[in-house]
Amino acid sequence: EPEVTQTPSHQVTQMGQEVILRCVPISNHLYFYWYRQILGQKVEFLVSFYNNEISEKSEIFDDQFSVERPDGSNFTLKIRSTKLEDSAMYFCASSGIAEAFFGQGTRLTVV
Amino acid sequence: GQSLEQPSEVTAVEGAIVQINCTYQTSGFYGLSWYQQHDGGAPTFLSYNALDGLEETGRFSSFLSRSDSYGYLLLQELQMKDSASYFCAVNHNQGGKLIFGQGTELSVKP
Repeated sequence: EPEVTQTPSHQVTQMGQEVILRCVPISNHLYFYWYRQILGQKVEFLVSFYNNEISEKSEIFDDQFSVERPDGSNFTLKIRSTKLEDSAMYFCASSGIAEAFFGQGTRLTVV
Repeated sequence: GQSLEQPSEVTAVEGAIVQINCTYQTSGFYGLSWYQQHDGGAPTFLSYNALDGLEETGRFSSFLSRSDSYGYLLLQELQMKDSASYFCAVNHNQGGKLIFGQGTELSVKP
């Protein structure tokens, strides 16, 4: 069964550092997303990506964040100058029309 | 604004039936999805309704009333492994973002 894969599974970084979270979406999907989930809270939309560009982003997705699809398979989320409140689980997802498939997530801890 | 309301917790016993309700207020609506999440793991797709009515997938069914901005997830013949968080989510448009509710934590007791 096709799946979305994310690396790394855990990332610890110092405040102020940059991190890159990586995702390989399902190959024939057209829509890609990043979501985050702070511990014990709901899943929050960050950004959607279609046709090699951002199609929509939330208020959370400010200038600190950027996404790229550097090649035909990878989809990355870069967080610059990390803050303590960026600590969360970050999920990548991809979809066709309705059903979104989520990766296992990267747990980011900013210390 | 955009909001989805669902109960924070539900408890039921093995073999029982449970219904998790979801009401929504969103600026765009394409359909209502349900996802299951175990212990902070990947949300897993359960069901999707774009049109009014009931969708059945095995022990799980989902219902939507667009005129009432309301839907529910029905879980039958509950098993211990069904203990998880259940999220309703609005699909804003085809391939668009999902806006999630706060989640309902379901505990299934023996």
